[in-house]
Amino acid sequence: AAGVIQSPRHLIKEKRETATLKCYPIPRHDTVYWYQQGPGQDPQFLISFYEKMQSDKGSIPDRFSAQQFSDYHSELNMSSLELGDSALYFCASSLRTYNEQFFGPGTRLTVL
Amino acid sequence: SQELEQSPQSLIVQEGKNLTINCTSSKTLYGLYWYKQKYGEGLIFLMMLQKGGEEKSHEKITAKLDEKKQQSSLHITASQPSHAGIYLCGAVKKKGGTSYGKLTFGQGTILTVHP
Repeated sequence: AAGVIQSPRHLIKEKRETATLKCYPIPRHDTVYWYQQGPGQDPQFLISFYEKMQSDKGSIPDRFSAQQFSDYHSELNMSSLELGDSALYFCASSLRTYNEQFFGPGTRLTVL
Repeated sequence: SQELEQSPQSLIVQEGKNLTINCTSSKTLYGLYWYKQKYGEGLIFLMMLQKGGEEKSHEKITAKLDEKKQQSSLHITASQPSHAGIYLCGAVKKKGGTSYGKLTFGQGTILTVHP
């Protein structure tokens, strides 16, 4: 069965640079969620989209923005990167908001 | 403070033993999810529970949601080394009658299974 695809899987950036993370949800899933997991921590919700509209917002820094496109894939844009942004970034998708959320393999971002 | 409390924080068992992991919330939950994560890897969906008293099983793993929908338990029967990993419970909470599906997670339970 098709799963959530995230790219890239690994990303190394310098401070103050920008990064773009991509997420391709499971086919026919209309809801995408982004989570950030720091070392030794549980995942923290960043933002979600339902039918290409932002549906909820969590602890996402103003330096980050995200959107969902017409083909339902989503991108998380991160600017002015800081050392503390180093983390695993997960995308999850579901069919409608209240159903099972399936996670992608994550993008490991390292900021030097 | 953690909105979802998992216990124990870590668990070491001998292969073949049964074990239980608990997840407790101080608020009524709309949905309770269980995931398994290998260190540094993605979260593998195990089960989602929504109804009070609901119980679901998959292979040797059973999860229950109590009647008041504030606590869930994950039980593994005859554990195997392949069960080792971090088990995370995640909850969707109701907010004034609406919820947008975002998950809040417990701190995780690290399970080690010795052959």
